[in-house]
Amino acid sequence: DAKTTQPPSMDCAEGRAANLPCNHSTISGNEYVYWYRQIHSQGPQYIIHGLKNNETNEMASLIITEDRKSSTLILPHATLRDTAVYYCIVRDSGYALNFGKGTSLLVTP
Amino acid sequence: DTAVSQTPKYLVTQMGNDKSIKCEQNLGHDTMYWYKQDSKKFLKIMFSYNNKELIINETVPNRFSPKSPDKAHLNLHINSLELGDSAVYFCASSPRGGVGGYTFGSGTRLTVV
Repeated sequence: DAKTTQPPSMDCAEGRAANLPCNHSTISGNEYVYWYRQIHSQGPQYIIHGLKNNETNEMASLIITEDRKSSTLILPHATLRDTAVYYCIVRDSGYALNFGKGTSLLVTP
Repeated sequence: DTAVSQTPKYLVTQMGNDKSIKCEQNLGHDTMYWYKQDSKKFLKIMFSYNNKELIINETVPNRFSPKSPDKAHLNLHINSLELGDSAVYFCASSPRGGVGGYTFGSGTRLTVV
């Protein structure tokens, strides 16, 4: 059962910020928002996760709305190597990650 | 050092054969997983083991049997292979409960002919 909704595809110019949205209107209080990406049939790669607060690491920033019904993954300066399928996943600890269809991000020169 | 390693990377076999895929992680994680990615690119959980104990077993034909000799290894054995088993199989590991993220292997592309 899909708990998240993401646009199927997005484009971004190299060097610009890529903002990937995700809707998760049925999220419950103890569920985290996780972001992963998969670069051309490689294994998925963990990017970032959060519960309520905004988070930042060396790869990206995660902005979660106050009502937690949506979030945005921000890649501040997209490069060609960021072209991938990005998955937004909502999960409670102790349960396996369930991947949806994700957003196919194309970074163009 | 590869954190989660799978072997083989490619596997081509005939229908009806039995094959195994091996997975090892050197991250000290307690939990390991098998995922299947089909031709439509959907990633689906198959199994999860926590410290050698099976904790998730999704609706998978019983021709698929995972085996965990220790918490660093989770192998997948498939009996009587069918054409529909053709897919990429990913192994992953995580700390207990999956907090902090999973680490995936590079995948095993299985082709049944």
